[in-house]
Amino acid sequence: QVQLQESGPGLVRPSETLSLTCSVSTASVSSYSWTWIRQTPGRGLEWIGHVSYSGSIKYNPSLERRVTMSVDTSSNQVSLSLSSVTAADAAVYFCARHYGNRILGYYFDLWGRGTPVAVSS
Amino acid sequence: IQLTQSPSSLSASVGDRVAITCRASQGVSNSLAWYQHKPGEAPKLLIYSASTLQSGVPSRFSGSGSGTDFTLTIYSLQPEDFATYYCQQLNTYPITFGQGTRLEIK
Repeated sequence: QVQLQESGPGLVRPSETLSLTCSVSTASVSSYSWTWIRQTPGRGLEWIGHVSYSGSIKYNPSLERRVTMSVDTSSNQVSLSLSSVTAADAAVYFCARHYGNRILGYYFDLWGRGTPVAVSS
Repeated sequence: IQLTQSPSSLSASVGDRVAITCRASQGVSNSLAWYQHKPGEAPKLLIYSASTLQSGVPSRFSGSGSGTDFTLTIYSLQPEDFATYYCQQLNTYPITFGQGTRLEIK
């Protein structure tokens, strides 16, 4: 059973860079596309972007200037970096596997439990 | 693309049939998925491509619709079904989610 686990600092200072990792077990990160989503009480679920080892990357235009995603095959992890954070970036951050094809459709079939991030000085 | 779910919350009893609707601000073909989320747990995929049941999901969950109007129906609610449900469109970037429907025990 493929499992995903997000990890991060929990607390980030305003204007600094948030860095999160998603550890993937029993599946190779090089075989799939991976996505990040965040959840806040006010904005609900917000798609941040997705990345694949093959180099395919797509970011949400609302965050594109501040987001970087990458895949690390040596550690079998997916990473998210969000720069210049503000209070609006406080959320629970989830990683998920972005699966499917043009015939059957696309979906996020596996998710982690999420990691909370607070923004405060 | 904005997705609007209704109702935002719903109270029902074990054994009831409930329907949650999701309306898209523009057509998304059949590129719509439904998820179940319980606090502290990983969200769970229920339905993809509007009506395809994900492997392992009980058959009491059913999805329908195409274009702009979609419905998730749960037949004969079970205690474990009380959760928040989200629709998601994957037809057009950026991928977007509905605001969620909270299903509570009556």
